[in-house]
Amino acid sequence: AQSVAQPEDQVNVAEGNPLTVKCTYSVSGNPYLFWYVQYPNRGLQFLLKYITGDNLVKGSYGFEAEFNKSQTSFHLKKPSALVSDSALYFCAVRDMGKAAGNKLTFGGGTRVLVKP
Amino acid sequence: GAVVSQHPSRVICKSGTSVKIECRSLDFQATTMFWYRQFPKQSLMLMATSNEGSKATYEQGVEKDKFLINHASLTLSTLTVTSAHPEDSSFYICSAPSKGGTAEAFFGQGTRLTVV
Repeated sequence: AQSVAQPEDQVNVAEGNPLTVKCTYSVSGNPYLFWYVQYPNRGLQFLLKYITGDNLVKGSYGFEAEFNKSQTSFHLKKPSALVSDSALYFCAVRDMGKAAGNKLTFGGGTRVLVKP
Repeated sequence: GAVVSQHPSRVICKSGTSVKIECRSLDFQATTMFWYRQFPKQSLMLMATSNEGSKATYEQGVEKDKFLINHASLTLSTLTVTSAHPEDSSFYICSAPSKGGTAEAFFGQGTRLTVV
């Protein structure tokens, strides 16, 4: 079975400072990893994904994430946070093993609060 | 990019009535759609997988007679909450995967259901 852990319920950061949101995963096969952001009362917006290739993935709104196979991690980062980045962030994994199908498994979510 | 439209965004209904939520893929065909439920400050819980032309696949613990899913066409899936009760109040989100396992899923805007 696949699982995703986001160890921090909330991350507080001052505007202009670096932002990191942690994610670790567990899958039986090769992982496809995703980050999504959710604003209040809205659906999820795709930020970035790791499929294969370069471990550092760049995505929307200046976000990037680094895939670390040995640590089974896929932390989301942004060099300089903005107040508008305040939202709920979800890490998700899709196990490409046949039994898992197309299902995404989500982490518990991390609320990011960027203070001016 | 691909868009998934979910309607309504908010609905208030009386206990005992039924509510239908629609999920449409606007510029692509979706043979599969997923329905999630999200409690306040929590992650997304997969309720069921909607399959065009066949029965939906429900996750363990989800009542299929309570949450009726119909995938009428390649662009439309509906979730009907039957005989709603206050405990059914929640945020419901649909998603549709793009073709190919490497692509990200697209999410609807979500529906806030309040049962009074």
